[in-house]
Amino acid sequence: GDSVTQMEGPVTLSEEAFLTINCTYTATGYPSLFWYVQYPGEGLQLLLKATKADDKGSNKGFEATYRKETTSFHLEKGSVQVSDSAVYFCALSDGSGGGADGLTFGKGTHLIIQP
Amino acid sequence: NAGVTQTPKFQVLKTGQSMTLQCAQDMNHEYMSWYRQDPGMGLRLIHYSVGAGITDQGEVPNGYNVSRSTTEDFPLRLLSAAPSQTSVYFCASSYREAGNEQFFGPGTRLTVL
Repeated sequence: GDSVTQMEGPVTLSEEAFLTINCTYTATGYPSLFWYVQYPGEGLQLLLKATKADDKGSNKGFEATYRKETTSFHLEKGSVQVSDSAVYFCALSDGSGGGADGLTFGKGTHLIIQP
Repeated sequence: NAGVTQTPKFQVLKTGQSMTLQCAQDMNHEYMSWYRQDPGMGLRLIHYSVGAGITDQGEVPNGYNVSRSTTEDFPLRLLSAAPSQTSVYFCASSYREAGNEQFFGPGTRLTVL
């Protein structure tokens, strides 16, 4: 079955540091890939997505590129801020349900940014 | 638009009690789903629905029932709560043209004693 593996935290960085959160996946066919962010006490919000190989998703300074050859979708940001402290989830949809049957999530990475 | 709403925000149950977690969306989305979030486990799909009157099981359906009588509502029922069902529950909705993006509610934190 489908699976998503991401680095587990917590990941602690200083403000303005470079961020990479690794994500690799196993899926049949051509999945769509997502990064969601969860701020404390809140639900999940879509951060960015990519629907085909070599697509780059970007939002709020975060980027991730869909690499089919390495089955990866690593999240990067050039200069993190304290407000980026949150839990980040990598997820996929294999499309077999036409988008109706939900997503497969990684376990989440807790990011802590220190001033 | 209120988006996806969930009630209650917090709930404490005793083992064996029953309850219903409510989920509603006002975006006219065809698809709705329930996830549970546990520490170190990410989110796991419990049940999902592709439209009114149609539901199906996800990865962890045991101990939960759902129904979808309207497009807007998708309640999750615990018939006999167990401590293993202590978790944070998220409802999500989506639609065919969304490219599989899910829109999440704020969650319900459930504790079963």
